[in-house]
Amino acid sequence: DVKVTQSSRYLVKRTGEKVFLECVQDMDHENMFWYRQDPGLGLRLIYFSYDVKMKEKGDIPEGYSVSREKKERFSLILESASTNQTSMYLCASRKGAGGASYNSPLHFGNGTRLTVT
Amino acid sequence: LAKTTQPISMDSYEGQEVNITCSHNNIATNDYITWYQQFPSQGPRFIIQGYKTKVTNEVASLFIPADRKSSTLSLPRVSLSDTAVYYCLVDGSARQLTFGSGTQLTVLP
Repeated sequence: DVKVTQSSRYLVKRTGEKVFLECVQDMDHENMFWYRQDPGLGLRLIYFSYDVKMKEKGDIPEGYSVSREKKERFSLILESASTNQTSMYLCASRKGAGGASYNSPLHFGNGTRLTVT
Repeated sequence: LAKTTQPISMDSYEGQEVNITCSHNNIATNDYITWYQQFPSQGPRFIIQGYKTKVTNEVASLFIPADRKSSTLSLPRVSLSDTAVYYCLVDGSARQLTFGSGTQLTVLP
């Protein structure tokens, strides 16, 4: 069974802090994704990566960056946290090569609920 | 990117069949249709996927008409534990995967 593990379930940070959200998957998946989820807005894609050191912007990349130094790990970075980044953050992965990975389901972690005060 | 449209919410009673329809008018030839289920405080999980006609597994059925511009997720004899948000996702040649707002299904006793 695929396991996607997010390092923290709950996180409280102060405005202006640099925040790291970590995600690790154990199935050698090429593709990894970061979403945020807010009430009434569904899941919105922040960034995704289809290979080590490769990344592409999603729908809402402003205020975020990512790092993929190893295949199994995809980190989301909030350079200077703000209160409007308070949200549930979900990491996902799926099998694929070179991005042509349709027909392969996404596997999600259980999320990190981040509160910025 | 194919945009999806689903009802925001639906109510049903235990034991009934529930059908949730998703519209995806600009679906591309290579696109598949995938449905996910999400419970509170958990990540979404895969339910079913199809390309055309009908697909059935132990959890649900997926109906896709010939023009593929919509799809219907069918949950037979729902129970209280089926209360969740259901997402339709059009997944194809684009690497970017954009979810819609989902449908909140509430099953009543």
